[in-house]
Amino acid sequence: GAGVSQTPSNKVTEKGKYVELRCDPISGHTALYWYRQSLGQGPEFLIYFQGTGAADDSGLPNDRFFAVRPEGSVSTLKIQRTERGDSAVYLCASSSNPSGSGTGELFFGEGSRLTVL
Amino acid sequence: AQKITQTQPGMFVQEKEAVTLDCTYDTSDQSYGLFWYKQPSSGEMIFLIYQGSYDEQNATEGRYSLNFQKARKSANLVISASQLGDSAMYFCAMREGYNTDKLIFGTGTRLQVFP
Repeated sequence: GAGVSQTPSNKVTEKGKYVELRCDPISGHTALYWYRQSLGQGPEFLIYFQGTGAADDSGLPNDRFFAVRPEGSVSTLKIQRTERGDSAVYLCASSSNPSGSGTGELFFGEGSRLTVL
Repeated sequence: AQKITQTQPGMFVQEKEAVTLDCTYDTSDQSYGLFWYKQPSSGEMIFLIYQGSYDEQNATEGRYSLNFQKARKSANLVISASQLGDSAMYFCAMREGYNTDKLIFGTGTRLQVFP
């Protein structure tokens, strides 16, 4: 499809396990964002890529979280030694450019729901 | 620090009526952007409307309009002629900084439209 695609849509894992969440942005979009949305909250920024590089990773909560975008397209969010508090919906978004002008609209995927037991 | 506040956890509106969803923001930047997104039960965030801090006129997109009051730092969303399909979570957001589309979101308002 033409939209942002995220897999898996649902992931259940046990505490302490490693998980990977994948995001396939809209073709040609250079900017990619990861957000985390806990129950009853708005999305919280995690990390932003411009091309292959992480332009801003200030939202990553700790060093168990890491994200890559090796070819400037697909991105993977990696969580090591998962904890119950990591349970949330992880949203990915892409945009055609960092704007500063214009709408700077973000296009979101449907998210990956992570449950840590 | 930049912050978005949505004080209405839930709102009800009858079909075909108008409804206003409140949003206030806090920033020390002179240049910023304000957004509203809709999140239906599917989970996807859908862009509705944008207002730039230097825009003198309120933004409008179809049935959506943004009541921008800069001095009060408010950016309320007005939905006219509500439809059953408008039932969803609505998030106000602010773009932080200039050369980024990084957004800070509020906690959202759940809108329920009844017949």
